Amino acid sequence: GNSVTQMEGPVTLSEEAFLTINCTYTATGYPSLFWYVQYPGEGLQLLLKATKADDKGSNKGFEATYRKETTSFHLEKGSVQVSDSAVYFCALSVPGGGADGLTFGKGTHLIIQP
Amino acid sequence: DTGVSQNPRHKITKRGQNVTFRCDPISEHNRLYWYRQTLGQGPEFLTYFQNEAQLEKSRLLSDRFSAERPKGSFSTLEIQRTEQGDSAMYLCASSPWTGETEAFFGQGTRLTVV
Repeated sequence: GNSVTQMEGPVTLSEEAFLTINCTYTATGYPSLFWYVQYPGEGLQLLLKATKADDKGSNKGFEATYRKETTSFHLEKGSVQVSDSAVYFCALSVPGGGADGLTFGKGTHLIIQP
Repeated sequence: DTGVSQNPRHKITKRGQNVTFRCDPISEHNRLYWYRQTLGQGPEFLTYFQNEAQLEKSRLLSDRFSAERPKGSFSTLEIQRTEQGDSAMYLCASSPWTGETEAFFGQGTRLTVV
């Protein structure tokens, strides 16, 4: 079956620090990969995505590269801000692969301190 | 377009009662998904519709759970004979076309069973 594993939180960083949130996956078929973010009191929002190997998704200074050889999709940002504090979810979907829904990781709570 | 709308936002019910949640997707999105999210976990896929057809329901948690999308627009999720273990956030998402698995989420309905 499909599964996503991401690093446990909370992750606490100082403003302007470098961020990495690890995500690895197993999938039957060729998945598309996503990072979703959930800000306090808000719904899940798509942050970035990649649909094939070596693609890099990017948005709001965040980046993640689809690494098929290591089955990974790590999220990075060079300089975090307090406003980046949120819960981040790595997810995958296999188009046409049965249920066709998203499979999520457990989420990583990111806390940025001023 | 105001995005995916879910009602109610919060529901407290007594064990054994039935509850129904409503989801209004983004206009003209033909796919609609239901997920459940418990504390500290990522969303868990339950079911989805393409227009009015329910294409996957084997992941519904038990036969107490059912969903409808009678006219291919809004959808309802019903839980019969609620149990304390049903307490969770229920999320709805929609996507614009069959080949794209990027989903847009509502803010969810938080169910508390007492």
